[in-house]
Amino acid sequence: RKEVEQDPGPFNVPEGATVAFNCTYSNSASQSFFWYRQDCRKEPKLLMSVYSSGNEDGRFTAQLNRASQYISLLIRDSKLSDSATYLCVVNTGFQKLVFGTGTRLLVSP
Amino acid sequence: GAGVSQSPRYKVAKRGQDVALRCDPISGHVSLFWYQQALGQGPEFLTYFQNEAQLDKSGLPSDRFFAERPEGSVSTLKIQRTQQEDSAVYLCASSPDPRTETEAFFGQGTRLTVV
Repeated sequence: RKEVEQDPGPFNVPEGATVAFNCTYSNSASQSFFWYRQDCRKEPKLLMSVYSSGNEDGRFTAQLNRASQYISLLIRDSKLSDSATYLCVVNTGFQKLVFGTGTRLLVSP
Repeated sequence: GAGVSQSPRYKVAKRGQDVALRCDPISGHVSLFWYQQALGQGPEFLTYFQNEAQLDKSGLPSDRFFAERPEGSVSTLKIQRTQQEDSAVYLCASSPDPRTETEAFFGQGTRLTVV
């Protein structure tokens, strides 16, 4: 079993839609959690950190459920520019960032 | 610029050839990571340095892979006797302080193709 699992998608949604991505992780000792965004043939870039209390940044909301070892990302009012791959990332300790396979999002007009 | 710089951006190697990939992290960043990303997959951890110390090399796929960061700044990932399965994008990332939960900044990667 992979340490971090995501649905690879693709998720095809129209502009303005709300879309949610989920991610599960296997190491209960994991310490910190992130969502990264990766555009085609580009490097990953931090989208947002994920806190236990949940956090929001504009149209993006991240949630963490430690008991279920589950992380989510919600995107409201999708824009064409949101089309990318979203990577769930878990810090399993000792500075080791473990990435999921990524979920591909395609937003269409 | 002040970001993570990797070179070369593209490398084509014949099977059996040795290659060396370079990473210049952001100045002052203590932590440096190497990842391997195959097509359609997420980055896979290879190794981690804190300054010049290689604290974790558990992700290196074989003893053909070797990484160093002798002065705690620039790092080199060396692959000996390259094989076709080594074809991937090799990403380097750095972060400022391992004691705090900060983001990792990635370079644009080196795309290695072994023919």
